[in-house]
Amino acid sequence: NAGVTQTPKFQVLKTGQSMTLQCAQDMNHEYMSWYRQDPGMGLRLIHYSVGAGITDQGEVPNGYNVSRSTTEDFPLRLLSAAPSQTSVYFCASSLDRVGGSEAFFGQGTRLTVV
Amino acid sequence: AQSVTQLGSHVSVSEGALVLLRCNYSSSVPPYLFWYVQYPNQGLQLLLKYTTGATLVKGINGFEAEFKKSETSFHLTKPSAHMSDAAEYFCAVSDYPSNNNDMRFGAGTRLTVKP
Repeated sequence: NAGVTQTPKFQVLKTGQSMTLQCAQDMNHEYMSWYRQDPGMGLRLIHYSVGAGITDQGEVPNGYNVSRSTTEDFPLRLLSAAPSQTSVYFCASSLDRVGGSEAFFGQGTRLTVV
Repeated sequence: AQSVTQLGSHVSVSEGALVLLRCNYSSSVPPYLFWYVQYPNQGLQLLLKYTTGATLVKGINGFEAEFKKSETSFHLTKPSAHMSDAAEYFCAVSDYPSNNNDMRFGAGTRLTVKP
C-alpha cells in the first residue's frame, strides 16, 4: 500500500519559474491538504480540499494554486517562485476533515528557490 | 484561532531516562489535540490524539499524553527513552468538528537520545 506519494523529492528553481508539486494517495481519502515546513515554525496549511472539485485556502495560500480533479490527486502549483518559498512541502490525506481522523503524510518535497 | 506552544526546541535525554516534551495550547472551542513524530527525511506520523473522554491518552511506541484543561497543556511522556525515539515531535490543535478546517502545529521539539 503506497499511501501518500509526493514527487519530486528535491527541486531547485530559479526565481520566477513555475512548477507543480505532485501528490497522489491510494487510500480513497476525501480530504487532502498541503503544508509547508519551515525551521522554528512547524507546519503551516497552504491549501486543502474536502473532495474532488472543492478546494479552499489555508493559513498561507499566497503564491500557490491547487486543483482537485480526482479523489486521488492534489497537485500544488507555484505560479512564480520566490526565495521565500524555499521550504519543505508536505501533502497529507485523511478520511475526514482535519482533526477528525488520522492524517497520513507524504515524505515531503524539499524546494530551494535561488 | 487556536495556537500551540512547544517549550524547548531541543531536548536531550539519556537512554532509559524519562522523556517529557511540553505542549501548551489555546483554543476558543474544546480542542482536539495531537502529537506527531517526524523521523529524519520522512513525513509526519501520528503518535496519539485526544478528542473527548479519558484525559490520559496512550499512543504508539510507549508514549502517552495527558490533557489538562486547567493548565491548557498536553505534555508527551515516555518512561524510558530508546535510541530509536530520536526524532522531531510536533504538537497540534484542531478545531474539529467545526467547519473551519484549521489545525495548528507547534514549532516542534527535536529529541536527542544519548547512549
